[in-house]
Amino acid sequence: KNEVEQSPQNLTAQEGEFITINCSYSVGISALHWLQQHPGGGIVSLFMLSSGKKKHGRLIATINIQEKHSSLHITASHPRDSAVYICAVRQRDNTDKLIFGTGTRLQVFP
Amino acid sequence: NAGVTQTPKFRILKIGQSMTLQCTQDMNHNYMYWYRQDPGMGLKLIYYSVGAGITDKGEVPNGYNVSRSTTEDFPLRLELAAPSQTSVYFCASTQFYEQYFGPGTRLTVT
Repeated sequence: KNEVEQSPQNLTAQEGEFITINCSYSVGISALHWLQQHPGGGIVSLFMLSSGKKKHGRLIATINIQEKHSSLHITASHPRDSAVYICAVRQRDNTDKLIFGTGTRLQVFP
Repeated sequence: NAGVTQTPKFRILKIGQSMTLQCTQDMNHNYMYWYRQDPGMGLKLIYYSVGAGITDKGEVPNGYNVSRSTTEDFPLRLELAAPSQTSVYFCASTQFYEQYFGPGTRLTVT
């Protein structure tokens, strides 16, 4: 079993829909990251969370440390949100190493 | 700042050839990483470095070598390339837990 599991693996939506991507992990962590990988391949960091909730524009990320679970929400989805969303957890050591989920491929259609 | 840069973007190698993937960051980050990304799999850590002169193995180091003679540069060396090393390679650096990724190198070994 992977230490970081994401669901769903693939997601299609109509423009304007509310999107939720889930991430569960089984190891002790100091922080959780949500990353976005566009079809061109580049990876950018969206959020880093250690507790609670963060919001950037239409993106909201939440984490429940006790439940070992995080969600990424996209409100009013748009075709430009089409990408692979990757959850990664930072292990509790001093190396900043991450364990990655396999990603959720999101396609938003007009 | 250019951020994290990688060269080349694409490369095709024959089995048994060697090559070096270059990675440079201009943000003065101490921590640097090499990952590989295979289809349907999460990113896997190959090697990492917590500062100039210090490197350590990640999850999948076999067939690779690294060096870190300066803070800026973290080259990844493939000796005796094998088809199993066909992958997309990402270099990353971190500061204050925020991850910055390079654009990736797509390597095919035939």
